[in-house]
Amino acid sequence: EVQLVESGGVVVQPGGSLRLSCVASGLTLNQYTMHWVRQAPGKGLEWVSLISGDGYTTFYTDSVKGRFTISRDNRINSLYLQMSLLRPDDTALYYCVKAYYYDGSGRAVYDMWGQGTMVTVSS
Amino acid sequence: DIQLTQSPSFLSASVGDRVTITCRASQGISSYLAWYQQKPGKAPELLIYAASTLHSGVPSRFSGSGFGTAFTLTISSLQPEDSATYYCQQINTYPRGLTFGGGTKVEIK
Repeated sequence: EVQLVESGGVVVQPGGSLRLSCVASGLTLNQYTMHWVRQAPGKGLEWVSLISGDGYTTFYTDSVKGRFTISRDNRINSLYLQMSLLRPDDTALYYCVKAYYYDGSGRAVYDMWGQGTMVTVSS
Repeated sequence: DIQLTQSPSFLSASVGDRVTITCRASQGISSYLAWYQQKPGKAPELLIYAASTLHSGVPSRFSGSGFGTAFTLTISSLQPEDSATYYCQQINTYPRGLTFGGGTKVEIK
């Protein structure tokens, strides 16, 4: 079965650090650009970060720049999100998402999502 | 960032009804718009991309249209399994500043 499985979400204090992981099965991750998307409880979707298939290109939403680092290890089909200086507004379900480039424009949508891992930032 | 405004934020309709959801962008995004469906407790799923292209496996009762700043998602005959929240997403600014609309919750009467 082709799937993405996230892990690592816990309750952490403000200012703390955490690393989320996403393992892919049934697909070779190095072929795909991958994203993290989050969803605060009862709220909408927010794009967080992306990383190219080779790991050399990364982008972040402004609110996490300098605090979060996206990375990948294609040898073990895994994606990561290192989170530091966590704030209460980082509390959310974090999804690992696969990009689907449907034409030659260089733009992509999301055709595969994990089930999400919950991060709660609270004292 | 480009803002996406969805309307309505909630709608209640009967099985068999035709349902339309609107997504308006704060600036032109060509046809770089996608729609996702999220059922309670589940991850979102891709329905439509390029404003009007149905993703593989999505029922044909779903359709999308629009260009520039105004887009619509239509369900031609609402089914019980369509009870969900629907989000639009702009990818015109890919890979930066990707944004989603606030969501439309669809309830079956």
